[in-house]
Amino acid sequence: GAGVSQSPSNKVTEKGKDVELRCDPISGHTALYWYRQSLGQGLEFLIYFQGNSAPDKSGLPSDRFSAERTGGSVSTLTIQRTQQEDSAVYLCASSLLAEYNEQFFGPGTRLTVL
Amino acid sequence: RKEVEQDPGPFNVPEGATVAFNCTYSNSASQSFFWYRQDCRKEPKLLMSVYSSGNEDGRFTAQLNRASQYISLLIRDSKLSDSATYLCVVNAGSASKIIFGSGTRLSIRP
Repeated sequence: GAGVSQSPSNKVTEKGKDVELRCDPISGHTALYWYRQSLGQGLEFLIYFQGNSAPDKSGLPSDRFSAERTGGSVSTLTIQRTQQEDSAVYLCASSLLAEYNEQFFGPGTRLTVL
Repeated sequence: RKEVEQDPGPFNVPEGATVAFNCTYSNSASQSFFWYRQDCRKEPKLLMSVYSSGNEDGRFTAQLNRASQYISLLIRDSKLSDSATYLCVVNAGSASKIIFGSGTRLSIRP
């Protein structure tokens, strides 16, 4: 089980609630990425971490979205006061190093906001 | 103009056929290129990296044309299992400049 894992696999929530999504990258991978994919659409970059630092947060859609990474490993993406337009699959990926290395994706968390 | 553009398809071809897709990119500073495959309701998986000299992996051949700013993927002797969406990925040199195309849908029929 050396791949990227994400939890939960599915999350249904009510509009206005907060949700927390978790990503466990491949051990030893320093770079971690969060993407969002709506049905039938391409991947939308949200944020990436190099170690525990997030050099670029410009992809986060609004200030309701935040992410952190601790110990250079696990990352959580938090969405506060969820809206229906937040419904999507949230994908996490990791790579050995940022920039040029290929990314390995987790299975995603399918978020549905009612 | 989108930073990375792909023909969305769908491409519907018979088993055994050869099929090719292109992906154009707008940032001339782009340094690395990849093709990913995504099955329905699954995560993207790396298919192959694209090198300047072109590279081949079995039935799959990837090419890079820097002058015209596009990459291509050729699939020979297509199999039913090749049915998927193929995403091109362009990296302009920083982690936040990794751009995914919207994908080309391929359907192989018996």
